[in-house]
This record gives sequence, C-alpha cells and structure tokens, in this order.
Amino acid sequence: DTGVSQNPRHKITKRGQNVTFRCDPISEHNRLYWYRQTLGQGPEFLTYFQNEAQLEKSRLLSDRFSAERPKGSFSTLEIQRTEQGDSAMYLCASSLSAAAGGTGYTFGSGTRLTVV
Amino acid sequence: DQQVKQNSPSLSVQEGRISILNCDYTNSMFDYFLWYKKYPAEGPTFLISISSIKDKNEDGRFTVFLNKSAKHLSLHIVPSQPGDSAVYFCAAKSGGGSNYKLTFGKGTLLTVNP
Repeated sequence: DTGVSQNPRHKITKRGQNVTFRCDPISEHNRLYWYRQTLGQGPEFLTYFQNEAQLEKSRLLSDRFSAERPKGSFSTLEIQRTEQGDSAMYLCASSLSAAAGGTGYTFGSGTRLTVV
Repeated sequence: DQQVKQNSPSLSVQEGRISILNCDYTNSMFDYFLWYKKYPAEGPTFLISISSIKDKNEDGRFTVFLNKSAKHLSLHIVPSQPGDSAVYFCAAKSGGGSNYKLTFGKGTLLTVNP
C-alpha cells in the first residue's frame, strides 16, 4: 500500500469556478477525514466519513462545499463558486477505528488550492 | 478560540542538543495528545502520542511529557539531528462521540543546525 493519495497536488482556479479534489485512502481504513490548512495555521477539521456515511461536517464547510465517499472507498471534495478565501492546503487522512489508539491518522500530501 | 496553543512559532537548536517544543491546551475533555511532524510539500506524519492517564511516553529520541494540572505538554528530542528540521504540530482529541476529530495547534518550526 502506498499510503493516502491525493490528486491533484496543486490546483489554480479562477474565482467563481468549481473544483474537485480526490483522495484515495489506505485500502483497509474505514475512516476518512478532510482537513484544511491555511498559512500559519494548523490543520482544521472539515468532515469525517465512516465507510460511506458522512457523520460530521464542520461549520467551516459552507454550502459551497460537498464531500462524498461512494462505496466507502475514495472520496471527493468539491468546492463550488470558489472564493479567494478558499485558497488553502486541503488534507485528506484515513484511519482505522479511533479505538485503535493514539497512533493518529495517516495523512496524504494534500492538494494546494490557489484561487485567483 | 484556540483550544491547542503552540506559542513558539520557531525554535533553533544545535545538532546534538535537546529540542523542547511546548504545547498548551484549554479543553479539559481532551484525553489524547499527539505530535505530528511536517516537511514542506508533504502531509503531517504521526510522531508520538500520550494518553491523559500517563505523564510520559518515550520512543527512541522522542519523549512527550504531559502535565494535566497545568494543561501543558512538551516534546523532547534528544539528541537533535538536522533531519529533525520540520514543522511540529501538537494535536489533541477528546473522548466520547467526537473521538475521531483532531484539534491542532499552529505549529512550531524547528531548525536543527549542523
């Protein structure tokens, strides 16, 4: 297994356009997370899936954001009508059940979004 | 409201010396604490963790200390190596229904000089 894979690595888009990012988690991990990291900040929680069910969405995730995880495998994060404030690194992570202990997540390398 | 605070944006140490990275938290519901290391253009990588029922956890050159009464934890790296140069994030999670969610600090950039 090559870990958590995110595509694309970089995306530059014009304000108002829609963008979609993909995350392929570690195959046996049933939990998948999206985080956002802006400059000078730590990662901030956006949303969480257990298998195909989206169980929590942060208040940071406005109506322009939608995430899916069909069949409990890969996940997509779509941002509609992008704004300059959406510019950030979008990080995907996966894990087994949190009861597995404090080993935390495995993160992908992220997708850096720049809205111009 | 920053529930996890890393008040030192950067730290510079000499190779072979000890690096001490600090983290404070405000939420008493946090029951697990983790440290992640991040190199540029890569995602954070898990380093070490500690349960709130312990006050110390050690893994090779890395030791995390937890002082619950002070709501403070620290990461000690001994001896420091140039390859340790990275951003270090402190993170915490609470028990119960939100035990999957990590709250991160802003990070501390560690530079280990040869």
